[in-house]
Amino acid sequence: GAVVSQHPSWVICKSGTSVKIECRSLDFQATTMFWYRQFPKQSLMLMATSNEGSKATYEQGVEKDKFLINHASLTLSTLTVTSAHPEDSSFYICSASLGLRSPLHFGNGTRLTVT
Amino acid sequence: GENVEQHPSTLSVQEGDSAVIKCTYSDSASNYFPWYKQELGKRPQLIIDIRSNVGEKKDQRIAVTLNKTAKHFSLHITETQPEDSAVYFCFNAGGTSYGKLTFGQGTILTVHP
Repeated sequence: GAVVSQHPSWVICKSGTSVKIECRSLDFQATTMFWYRQFPKQSLMLMATSNEGSKATYEQGVEKDKFLINHASLTLSTLTVTSAHPEDSSFYICSASLGLRSPLHFGNGTRLTVT
Repeated sequence: GENVEQHPSTLSVQEGDSAVIKCTYSDSASNYFPWYKQELGKRPQLIIDIRSNVGEKKDQRIAVTLNKTAKHFSLHITETQPEDSAVYFCFNAGGTSYGKLTFGQGTILTVHP
């Protein structure tokens, strides 16, 4: 149980274009999902907390207008990287939890390469 | 969980040896302490967790110990095998709200055959 599906697993886009990443909870309802960014050999950095039916909560230093998050249903959150630049190239990964004292369940991650 | 310090950043052991990774946290309200294992290019996966009403939990070769007074919890891997080689992260969240979810800096464990 508690499966999180993330698509696409990898994407290559040109500088200036936008990319949408989807995160779905397949067998449970997730009122809260989390988006992380991970650089090679580094830890997962929380970008934002996605709340179903309300605005996402962004971490300090994360541009809201650049990383658009939509959590329109209890099973789907999307992250759109707008006007992508090469420095946005990274591994993006979503997760969801059934509660504060429950494990995080991660999507497979999306490898974004901006050329 | 606001501040989480994880040590060591790298750990190299011989097959069969034990490995210990420690995380120190600052939020005294924290009550859930998981450890995740991440293989290269893959998603982190929960390997063991502990809640604040117990001091130790063991699952075969893996154990987690918690010291709430000192605010630290540790991952213990015994009889290490090459397939244990991965990056390990501790994780901490606030006790009463999601607040600032924080992963430790990660420990690259290498088990040499």
